[in-house]
Amino acid sequence: QSALTQPRSVSGSPGQSVTISCTGTSSDVGGYNYVSWYQQHPGKAPKLMIYDVSKRPSGVPDRFSGSKSGNTASLTISGLQAEDEADYYCCSYAGSYTFRVFGGGTKLTVL
Amino acid sequence: EVQLVQSGAEVKKPGESLKISCKGSGYSFTSYWIGWVRQMPGKGLEWMGIIYPGDSDTRYSPSFQGQVTISADKSISTAYLQWSSLKASDTAMYYCARLPSAMANFDYWGQGTLVTVSS
Repeated sequence: QSALTQPRSVSGSPGQSVTISCTGTSSDVGGYNYVSWYQQHPGKAPKLMIYDVSKRPSGVPDRFSGSKSGNTASLTISGLQAEDEADYYCCSYAGSYTFRVFGGGTKLTVL
Repeated sequence: EVQLVQSGAEVKKPGESLKISCKGSGYSFTSYWIGWVRQMPGKGLEWMGIIYPGDSDTRYSPSFQGQVTISADKSISTAYLQWSSLKASDTAMYYCARLPSAMANFDYWGQGTLVTVSS
């Protein structure tokens, strides 16, 4: 099962906005509203940032938002802060055989 | 407070068996799925499989089916990931995480268990 496609890296300056894309197929991202996004700092466990395409768990700043169009989901981080520098992974439900698939991860650098 | 606490780091030789654990607390262990995720050194996240401790319903990623066994003991709120014969390529960090449903996201994560397989 191929991973969802994410850009290897993105960057932005403090205060700017960045968007990370996550491209799949109609069998995963496009077929279900079960896309989630995870933030992982070096040496730490992943942390849920967005679920069900665009919902934010309690405690996640509203600078983080998610959306989906067709087979591509997106994570947008506005008002970039230094602590946002991390790896970000998307994940989608992919049906009752594969069940779920992760993206390859995107390294966000805050310049 | 929801917590998933994983067992400690392991160093094993190729061919050895291993069982690592993930103990849940702060919620009803039998009402949520537990999943396992692999992260090889310097690489991304890979979903391995999930289990529903309430009835031990287990689903595996096609990539890991037959390679590992996922189980749970609801009496002690603990899920397990085990190998019968480790390979060097099993060297990785392994995370457990909770899921509200089989289709949903991983909402809480354990701290990870580093497994090193080397002769």
